[in-house]
Amino acid sequence: SAVISQKPSRDICQRGTSLTIQCQVDSQVTMMFWYRQQPGQSLTLIATANQGSEATYESGFVIDKFPISRPNLTFSTLTVSNMSPEDSSIYLCSAGQGEPGNTIYFGEGSWLTVV
Amino acid sequence: GDSVTQMEGPVTLSEEAFLTINCTYTATGYPSLFWYVQYPGEGLQLLLKATKADDKGSNKGFEATYRKETTSFHLEKGSVQVSDSAVYFCALSINDYKLSFGAGTTVTVRA
Repeated sequence: SAVISQKPSRDICQRGTSLTIQCQVDSQVTMMFWYRQQPGQSLTLIATANQGSEATYESGFVIDKFPISRPNLTFSTLTVSNMSPEDSSIYLCSAGQGEPGNTIYFGEGSWLTVV
Repeated sequence: GDSVTQMEGPVTLSEEAFLTINCTYTATGYPSLFWYVQYPGEGLQLLLKATKADDKGSNKGFEATYRKETTSFHLEKGSVQVSDSAVYFCALSINDYKLSFGAGTTVTVRA
């Protein structure tokens, strides 16, 4: 199994600033992902974090707004750039391990409020 | 594309009532199916999963059976408690680790 830790767990951010969220997994995983959950909504996949290369973004998400790094098999960061109140969301890190489609883990989420 | 449709909420029940949350899916491949739960103020937790047709996932008194013929994965619990109040998400994954989530169903159980 894998345990995913995210930092910060919560933050209040000023409009126009950027914040970097860290995701640390306690064991090597095959894939890492970032999701967004806007208030009262479901989860939407932002991107796949690729080790040592540029992330793969889903439709509607761009690297300039959500730069992602994954320097090794157990760590990734997501930056939310030039924040606006619409970016107030829970950002969740996810990781896949073992047989595809079978074992998928989530962090506790980073709850961001932009004021 | 691959998608999940789940029962609209909110759902309000009395303690010890029977709970069903319907979930159907559309997939080009052969998905794995999941139910996740999010308790108030908390992160996402895996509740149960099934990876092939006729598999039954179960946990904490909840059950769901993977029905390929009806493309469904309905969540059931025979006797709910106040502590089951949460948002429940149905989700699928096709041969990778990416998840497509349903809209979520808010369940409130009253004492």
